[in-house]
Amino acid sequence: QQQVKQSPQSLIVQKGGISIINCAYENTAFDYFPWYQQFPGKGPALLIAIRPDVSEKKEGRFTISFNKSAKQFSLHIMDSQPGDSATYFCAASKEGSQGNLIFGKGTKLSVKP
Amino acid sequence: GAVVSQHPSRVICKSGTSVKIECRSLDFQATTMFWYRQFPKQSLMLMATSNEGSKATYEQGVEKDKFLINHASLTLSTLTVTSAHPEDSSFYICSAWTTLGTDTQYFGPGTRLTVL
Repeated sequence: QQQVKQSPQSLIVQKGGISIINCAYENTAFDYFPWYQQFPGKGPALLIAIRPDVSEKKEGRFTISFNKSAKQFSLHIMDSQPGDSATYFCAASKEGSQGNLIFGKGTKLSVKP
Repeated sequence: GAVVSQHPSRVICKSGTSVKIECRSLDFQATTMFWYRQFPKQSLMLMATSNEGSKATYEQGVEKDKFLINHASLTLSTLTVTSAHPEDSSFYICSAWTTLGTDTQYFGPGTRLTVL
C-alpha cells in the first residue's frame, strides 16, 4: 500500500511558468510534510516543509499548499527556471517515528527555456 | 548548517569484495541515521534505520548480514556491503535526522557503487 501518492510522474513547463506537483496521503497521523529536490547523481536536498497547523507556506518561489481535510498537499514553483529542472519528492512522517520519512515516487520536472 | 557528507562518492569494486561507505553529520549530532538505496529514475528505498550505540533496524527484505551498519558515534554511521555482487550496484544515500530547528532528515550526496 502506497502511503504517499505523488503526481504527475513527469512535468514539462516553460520558463516563467508555474510548476505544480501534487501529493496525497492516507495516514492521518502524519504531521510533517517536506519536499525534497534531487539533481542527477546527488542526494536529495530539503526544499520546504509544512506542518498541518498551517494551510500554506511560502519560501521565495516555492509554496506548499496543504489541505488537511482532503489529505493532500502540493508544491508550487512560481516563475520556473531551467535550473529548477530536477526530480522532486514529497514525503511525510509522524511524531515519534524518529524522522522516518515515507516518500512519494517522485516527479521529474523539466523547465524549457 | 545541517551538512551530511558521504565517502566515497564513487566506488568500483570486483565481485566478492566488501565495500565500506561512511556517512558523517558535519555540524550537528544525529542520534538517528538512515540508509537508502536508489535505483535509476526511482524513489528512495529505505534499507535501515541506525541509532547511535545500538543495532540497526532493517527494512523487510534487506539482508542484515550483507549490509552491515555501524553507528559508532553521534556523527558517524557506516554501511558495509559484504561480498558485493553486480546486483548490489546502485546509488546509496544516507541521511541524518535532527530535532534541531526543522526536525527533519538531511541527506548526504550519495555513493555510486559499481560492482564488476
